[in-house]
Amino acid sequence: NAGVTQTPKFQVLKTGQSMTLQCAQDMNHEYMSWYRQDPGMGLRLIHYSVGAGITDQGEVPNGYNVSRSTTEDFPLRLLSAAPSQTSVYFCASKAGGRTDTQYFGPGTRLTVL
Amino acid sequence: AQKVTQAQTEISVVEKEDVTLDCVYETRDTTYYLFWYKQPPSGELVFLIRRNSFDEQNEISGRYSWNFQKSTSSFNFTITASQVVDSAVYFCALSEWAISGNTGKLIFGQGTTLQVKP
Repeated sequence: NAGVTQTPKFQVLKTGQSMTLQCAQDMNHEYMSWYRQDPGMGLRLIHYSVGAGITDQGEVPNGYNVSRSTTEDFPLRLLSAAPSQTSVYFCASKAGGRTDTQYFGPGTRLTVL
Repeated sequence: AQKVTQAQTEISVVEKEDVTLDCVYETRDTTYYLFWYKQPPSGELVFLIRRNSFDEQNEISGRYSWNFQKSTSSFNFTITASQVVDSAVYFCALSEWAISGNTGKLIFGQGTTLQVKP
């Protein structure tokens, strides 16, 4: 198993550009989520999904879109990048059991100029 | 509202010292889970431990131990005889169950940067 994979690893955007951060997992996990990590603020939840076709907003959803057309993939779209979206983005997944552990991808470091 | 506080922003110790990382949480939920994750300089997040709200037994895993106290809403992490390889950012996190349901949502603390000097 590859676990949770994220692409790209690094990305530089200009203000106003759009892009999609890819996330995939091969563990057949029901739950997937996106977090952003900023210095001094820990990780904050952007969007999450409890299954294919079902998504919901987390703590900081503005400026981001998600969809979950398959169990495996959970892409995060930046519609019009802003410097405030400069961050490290982590995708995570977990199985459906109550005590199942959440596994994180390696992260994507995004810089918006 | 749910919240996780790691008041120690940075800790620096010399190798072989013991160090305790503090974590205080707030939740209205009666069923919840607490976690510790390690983020080494390479950047990935490594799961260390999960504890549910009904299990207040302390846990020891090698040089690591965890002290969960519901009375003080704390879930502290102690590294005994620290090593340079323990240098990392450590995050405490909370997952609520009864109120939020099984969503997999984690609420993270701000993180504590631990530097272990040789």
